[in-house]
Amino acid sequence: SQTIHQWPATLVQPVGSPLSLECTVEGTSNPNLYWYRQAAGRGLQLLFYSVGIGQISSEVPQNLSASRPQDRQFILSSKKLLLSDSGFYLCAFGGQETQYFGPGTRLLVL
Amino acid sequence: RKEVEQDPGPFNVPEGATVAFNCTYSNSASQSFFWYRQDCRKEPKLLMSVYSSGNEDGRFTAQLNRASQYISLLIRDSKLSDSATYLCVVIRQGGYNKLIFGAGTRLAVHP
Repeated sequence: SQTIHQWPATLVQPVGSPLSLECTVEGTSNPNLYWYRQAAGRGLQLLFYSVGIGQISSEVPQNLSASRPQDRQFILSSKKLLLSDSGFYLCAFGGQETQYFGPGTRLLVL
Repeated sequence: RKEVEQDPGPFNVPEGATVAFNCTYSNSASQSFFWYRQDCRKEPKLLMSVYSSGNEDGRFTAQLNRASQYISLLIRDSKLSDSATYLCVVIRQGGYNKLIFGAGTRLAVHP
């Protein structure tokens, strides 16, 4: 069966520190992968999507970046976190219609 | 104006009640529609797709009104376990079909 993992589950980071969130998928090959952010009281915002190794599309300009070094690995990074980067970060895989989400990483930037 | 709008709630209902949520979307080119469920501090999970003819899954009924650009979800005989946030999702057609999520409607079912 297909499963998706994210870590860490929670993270508290100071402003200006770097960030690396990891997402891995099992049980599927060449999945489409997505990073979303959910801020309190707001809908999920698509940040990045990837249709293959090394192929990253950015949806919104920001100080975050994504990489896909392996077929089933998707990484979200930042060199310097901002207060506004706080939120719930969700990785997902799936087609262009239904998507399956990982458990998420709750990030608090202080 | 948000592309997908939902009443944030919360809807507080007793067990056994029938409750309905509406969602409106602004992009008339949207082709596919879904309801996702998100439990507190958890990831969203697909609840059901929404078809033009309307569709039912047990106690849940979803309907689409293209002319008015709204989608509804009806929950009959509410259970305590139905307490969650319900997210309306539409697909924006384009070179890449993008899922657009509403902010969600919170439902609290009480004994």
